[in-house]
Amino acid sequence: GENVEQHPSTLSVQEGDSAVIKCTYSDSASNYFPWYKQELGKRPQLIIDIRSNVGEKKDQRIAVTLNKTAKHFSLHITETQPEDSAVYFCAASNPSGYALNFGKGTSLLVTP
Amino acid sequence: DGGITQSPKYLFRKEGQNVTLSCEQNLNHDAMYWYRQDPGQGLRLIYYSQIVNDFQKGDIAEGYSVSREKKESFPLTVTSAQKNPTAFYLCASNPTSYAETQYFGPGTRLLVL
Repeated sequence: GENVEQHPSTLSVQEGDSAVIKCTYSDSASNYFPWYKQELGKRPQLIIDIRSNVGEKKDQRIAVTLNKTAKHFSLHITETQPEDSAVYFCAASNPSGYALNFGKGTSLLVTP
Repeated sequence: DGGITQSPKYLFRKEGQNVTLSCEQNLNHDAMYWYRQDPGQGLRLIYYSQIVNDFQKGDIAEGYSVSREKKESFPLTVTSAQKNPTAFYLCASNPTSYAETQYFGPGTRLLVL
């Protein structure tokens, strides 16, 4: 499947700081880019997504940016809180358009 | 999320045994997916189905089989050919056949005895 690279694999920030997670994808045909949050032992849940016709999207403390030319997209979390601690996954629609390819995840730890 | 259920929560498999994981959704979604999650590996696609009676292999289909006889059900069988089945299995669905927001079930953890 298409390669989706995600960095960093682990990220530790202090409460109130910002966190940034970056992903790159390989196929220029990808047009849908969701981000999921997975708490320990639970199912992944969508937190924000972006389509290829949009460069940036924001929802309260969370924002996603997309650079189609460079084929990378990023998740930005501002004013982090301990409850933001979880594993975050990026994904990109695969060349067929019928499925998603996921990155390997970033384990975010927000310390009080 | 509440419209997708998976059972059982934990499943134990003996050597040479086939086991089946259940996934049901009452969201009237067209597409359904099976992923395998291993530590540090993210979510890897096993099979997906866009419509009833049709399904496609994902990146790691070997040792697995599926069926889609009803829109709301997409069971996954882990066959004895899958030599390393210990993992967390997640089922998901989305409203249309195209890649978009996927809603995940609670998962089944498969362990080998």
